[in-house]
Amino acid sequence: AQTVTQSQPEMSVQEAETVTLSCTYDTSENNYYLFWYKQPPSRQMILVIRQEAYKQQNATENRFSVNFQKAAKSFSLKISDSQLGDTAMYFCAFIPDNAGNMLTFGGGTRLMVKP
Amino acid sequence: NAGVTQTPKFQVLKTGQSMTLQCAQDMNHEYMSWYRQDPGMGLRLIHYSVGAGITDQGEVPNGYNVSRSTTEDFPLRLLSAAPSQTSVYFCASSHGTSVTGELFFGEGSRLTVL
Repeated sequence: AQTVTQSQPEMSVQEAETVTLSCTYDTSENNYYLFWYKQPPSRQMILVIRQEAYKQQNATENRFSVNFQKAAKSFSLKISDSQLGDTAMYFCAFIPDNAGNMLTFGGGTRLMVKP
Repeated sequence: NAGVTQTPKFQVLKTGQSMTLQCAQDMNHEYMSWYRQDPGMGLRLIHYSVGAGITDQGEVPNGYNVSRSTTEDFPLRLLSAAPSQTSVYFCASSHGTSVTGELFFGEGSRLTVL
């Protein structure tokens, strides 16, 4: 069974600064995918970024980037130039390559961006 | 684009009552699933379906039933609600069963069982 752990229940950052959210996971699989989802106060879950385990290059989407350390089973999310609209719950999620679309989620990190 | 539509958005039940959470998607997605979200526990998979007529259990299926008679609809039934089922429920869909990188989620349904 896979587990995903987010050790930071809450974080805050000043507007325009950079923040890193941590995520670790446990699996015996070699091929898998990792995701960060954002849940703003509206509750709508939105995909932020994804990483395929077989790719060594870290994924980047505009102000969002990941630091994927496969050996350490670590998958952190860096948000640069934080904006007020980044205030949300952030969930790390994992899925093995052969598991359809059944995601395993971490417990979430609540991020508050302060003006 | 409607995407994934869940109804109702809010519901209060008494212990022992039954109800159905509705989920519909208009993207012709094969895969649909139900998650529940509880504080500190992220989202946990209840049931899922890889196509019409096919359903299977997820991590926390007890107390819930599902059916998939059409591609578009995937209702979640609580036959006898319990306070432990107080949660926010999310329906999600995606194209096919291969990993496409994105599940499309509904806006969630907040259920309170008294």
